[in-house]
Amino acid sequence: KQEVTQIPAALSVPEGENLVLNCSFTDSAIYNLQWFRQDPGKGLTSLLLIQSSQREQTSGRLNASLDKSSGRSTLYIAASQPGDSATYLCALDQAGTALIFGKGTTLSVSS
Amino acid sequence: GAGVSQSPSNKVTEKGKDVELRCDPISGHTALYWYRQSLGQGLEFLIYFQGNSAPDKSGLPSDRFSAERTGGSVSTLTIQRTQQEDSAVYLCASSPQNTDTQYFGPGTRLTVL
Repeated sequence: KQEVTQIPAALSVPEGENLVLNCSFTDSAIYNLQWFRQDPGKGLTSLLLIQSSQREQTSGRLNASLDKSSGRSTLYIAASQPGDSATYLCALDQAGTALIFGKGTTLSVSS
Repeated sequence: GAGVSQSPSNKVTEKGKDVELRCDPISGHTALYWYRQSLGQGLEFLIYFQGNSAPDKSGLPSDRFSAERTGGSVSTLTIQRTQQEDSAVYLCASSPQNTDTQYFGPGTRLTVL
């Protein structure tokens, strides 16, 4: 059974720092991996989707990597800002149906 | 364009009552998903619709939960005889195809007293 783990569960950094969020999974047979952002009391916003055949995706200050062989993905956030404060969720699509989610990393960026 | 919408945004009900939660997906999206987010539990899959195919109900926690999708668009999640453990945020998502990015609605927060 696929298990998705996100470390750390919470992270606090000062504004301007570069940071890395980690996601690990137990079964490398996946269609794709997505990173989402969730603000308190809100739904999820898709940040990046990496297809199984890809190694990384970039959008603005965000870069996500995927290493299926080691069962790991990272989300790199450059020059963090207070507006980046949110919970970041990693999710796997294993069968072209439902996503399997990690429990998230709650990020707090202080000004 | 319009995103995924859900109604109501909040629902408070008494134990034992039935509730209906509604999801309007993005127009043209063939895939629709329901998830549940409980405090401390993370997001868990409930049910998935793809076009006219039979839905994947493998995530429904009990037979008190059911969902339908009419005309390949709007979906309703029904919870019968609600229990306190049903309290959670119920999220709906849609995607153009089943391996594409999923777009989430704002959720319905259900509280069972």
